Amino acid sequence: NAGVTQTPKFQVLKTGQSMTLQCAQDMNHNSMYWYRQDPGMGLRLIYYSASEGTTDKGEVPNGYNVSRLNKREFSLRLESAAPSQTSVYFCASRPGTGRENTEAFFGQGTRLTVV
Amino acid sequence: RKEVEQDPGPFNVPEGATVAFNCTYSNSASQSFFWYRQDCRKEPKLLMSVYSSGNEDGRFTAQLNRASQYISLLIRDSKLSDSATYLCVVVPVYNFNKFYFGSGTKLNVKP
Repeated sequence: NAGVTQTPKFQVLKTGQSMTLQCAQDMNHNSMYWYRQDPGMGLRLIYYSASEGTTDKGEVPNGYNVSRLNKREFSLRLESAAPSQTSVYFCASRPGTGRENTEAFFGQGTRLTVV
Repeated sequence: RKEVEQDPGPFNVPEGATVAFNCTYSNSASQSFFWYRQDCRKEPKLLMSVYSSGNEDGRFTAQLNRASQYISLLIRDSKLSDSATYLCVVVPVYNFNKFYFGSGTKLNVKP
């Protein structure tokens, strides 16, 4: 039972490089999310996709883009990485519309360092 | 002002102790509440939902006080395995996709 799978688990980038974080879920969930977690800040929502074909900004979207490739996959792209984007990134999913009070399920996280 | 505030701790308690965490939220239009547990360098996992009337799951009890805008988590008979960071989550009524996380309260249970 895979749940939410993120790749890669670790990444080091140089300032200005680009990369895409991949996320896939096998629970047939409609809604998917990208968070970042920094020390003392809690998890902050970057972008979300309420359903296939839609994406919306969260609290901290600047410097990121997302793609909801299909119902299973939701990717996060850093076009030009900056040291301020050093963080742990979590992808999550929820059933979505009609089940608003259900919890989110998280992937194992990607530890990104930008030097 | 942060949407959700938690005491970061750490709370250092002996095995068998009872410990309680509070979490305050700023938006009165909040509809759903959760407690998540996060082990070191792992992803958050749901511990329990918080219902208006309060709810219990084994040694864990969650309470909601809408008038004062806080939720609480009580852990009885602490185990070493309870050592983790506990995150409270608040979801506003106007957008159930926007989970607001507290920064977490760290619990260390000592032998």
